Amino acid sequence: AQSVTQLDSHVSVSEGTPVLLRCNYSSSYSPSLFWYVQHPNKGLQLLLKYTSAATLVKGINGFEAEFKKSETSFHLTKPSAHMSDAAEYFCVVSSQAGTALIFGKGTTLSVSS
Amino acid sequence: DAGITQSPRHKVTETGTPVTLRCHQTENHRYMYWYRQDPGHGLRLIHYSYGVKDTDKGEVSDGYSVSRSKTEDFLLTLESATSSQTSVYFCAISERGTSALSTDTQYFGPGTRLTVL
Repeated sequence: AQSVTQLDSHVSVSEGTPVLLRCNYSSSYSPSLFWYVQHPNKGLQLLLKYTSAATLVKGINGFEAEFKKSETSFHLTKPSAHMSDAAEYFCVVSSQAGTALIFGKGTTLSVSS
Repeated sequence: DAGITQSPRHKVTETGTPVTLRCHQTENHRYMYWYRQDPGHGLRLIHYSYGVKDTDKGEVSDGYSVSRSKTEDFLLTLESATSSQTSVYFCAISERGTSALSTDTQYFGPGTRLTVL
């Protein structure tokens, strides 16, 4: 069965410092992997998507993620946090059966000035 | 932003009453999904549709039914609402679904906050 684990439920950074949100996945096949962001009281927005092309994926707003098969990880990074990055972030893996997406429990990113 | 609207955006109802949530899309995408979001659980799939009148169950389908009579509309019904169904409900759409090669991107609506008293 596929699963995804977000290793931190809450991450706090200062504005201008790097962001690292950690995600490990479990899958018996080569999955598609996504990061979505949800700002308070908003819907989910796709940040980036990995589908077995380049292992380093660039997304919107300066975010990127690196697929590491040997470590079964798909960590999200950004070189310099901005106040507007404060939100909840979800790591998502595709399900082999049907069209389901399997969501991690989310990481809340706080950014202080 | 993908053209997805959900109605109502907020609803308060009482235990035992029927509730229907509507998702409407203007993208003509084949696949539509209903998820619920609860603290500590992320999003979990309730039901999805792969075409008009074609639907299937997701991870947490008990107590929910769906219908899709037109490409653009996907309805989620709680026949008899319970307090455990208090949640935020998200609709999503995608063009092609999942194949052996890749998973199509899902785009999400703004959500409906449902409170069952």
